[in-house]
Amino acid sequence: EADIYQTPRYLVIGTGKKITLECSQTMGHDKMYWYQQDPGMELHLIHYSYGVNSTEKGDLSSESTVSRIRTEHFPLTLESARPSHTSQYLCASRLTAYEQYFGPGTRLTVT
Amino acid sequence: AQKVTQAQTEISVVEKEDVTLDCVYETRDTTYYLFWYKQPPSGELVFLIRRNSFDEQNEISGRYSWNFQKSTSSFNFTITASQVVDSAVYFCALSEVYNTDKLIFGTGTRLQVFP
Repeated sequence: EADIYQTPRYLVIGTGKKITLECSQTMGHDKMYWYQQDPGMELHLIHYSYGVNSTEKGDLSSESTVSRIRTEHFPLTLESARPSHTSQYLCASRLTAYEQYFGPGTRLTVT
Repeated sequence: AQKVTQAQTEISVVEKEDVTLDCVYETRDTTYYLFWYKQPPSGELVFLIRRNSFDEQNEISGRYSWNFQKSTSSFNFTITASQVVDSAVYFCALSEVYNTDKLIFGTGTRLQVFP
């Protein structure tokens, strides 16, 4: 079973606020990912990282930013939240060329 | 181009019925991986199975079974004797061996199992 954690699980915040979604894994995985899942269920890769000090943009353009200072930690930041950012955000990690393991997700609502 | 199609948006069954979730994929590579994930109402994606393109053997795990057919580019998932706890969204996904960072998901199939 994968040990990957996300906080908060639910967040309701007003427009213009800065937020950071936390993601941590205790498996020592080098590769980590952020996905955005819209209400229609489709998953979009927005950021990924190969390891410490490595970050890449995914397929879906996102106004969020990420950092990877420690192997186990991959936070996602929105400098100024907008209603269009309302979504579920899923963090994942993997060690080898195989499956990704996902965290429980953060449901973000921007009012 | 790579693509995963899950044509069934939503399926409803009554408990104890068998149900098959379809997955059709497209890829130009000869080496690739296929996956199924389950997303229960709590939101997390739970890994169910990985299959590589050289292994066409079908797999059974309890009430779950998977049918991989390269000839039709399909990787279908069957739940036997469905239970209410099987209610979830199920995603099929593909990754190619030379680009394993990119996990290409289908749009998901929502399965509702009624008592």
